Amino acid sequence: AQRVTQPEKLLSVFKGAPVELKCNYSYSGSPELFWYVQYSRQRLQLLLRHISRESIKGFTADLNKGETSFHLKKPFAQEEDSAMYYCALASNAGKSTFGDGTTLTVKP
Amino acid sequence: EAGVAQSPRYKIIEKRQSVAFWCNPISGHATLYWYQQILGQGPKLLIQFQNNGVVDDSQLPKDRFSAERLKGVDSTLKIQPAKLEDSAVYLCASSLAGGQTGELFFGEGSRLTVL
Repeated sequence: AQRVTQPEKLLSVFKGAPVELKCNYSYSGSPELFWYVQYSRQRLQLLLRHISRESIKGFTADLNKGETSFHLKKPFAQEEDSAMYYCALASNAGKSTFGDGTTLTVKP
Repeated sequence: EAGVAQSPRYKIIEKRQSVAFWCNPISGHATLYWYQQILGQGPKLLIQFQNNGVVDDSQLPKDRFSAERLKGVDSTLKIQPAKLEDSAVYLCASSLAGGQTGELFFGEGSRLTVL
């Protein structure tokens, strides 16, 4: 069985502060990890994926297989980063499992 | 490029009634997913289609939920009879590849309220 856990329901930081959204997973095979974001009144969309190893909007995420984690980080949070963030795991068969999400609020 | 289209956006019904949701994926996307998102939770996969075949429906409550994807394009999700706990947003998503590297493109969702 595959499972994704996001331990924080809510996260609040001040503008300019570093932010880290935690994600832990369990999966017996070789996982692919993603972060999706949902801004207010918008549809769920991909933020970044583990295999591309890129930085999107200043966010990065590193897959740590030893700790089975895929935490999302940004060194300096901006107000426009306020949104709902979901970590997701895709199995070998392409089945994507989502965590319950973290609501990030960046205060001015 | 047109995104994933879903309708209706909102639906209110009474328990034991039936409801149907429609999804039109992005053109050329072979894989289509239906997710159920209950308030405060993440999306939960109900069913995954590859073209017009079912890949995974292990989480679909088959006594009341059904889904089809005729001709490998549009899809409908039906609930009959509805229960109070079916109140949720039903998300349709599609992907080009369908495998692990496939990005999911989501529709805006259909919000169902069962009274």
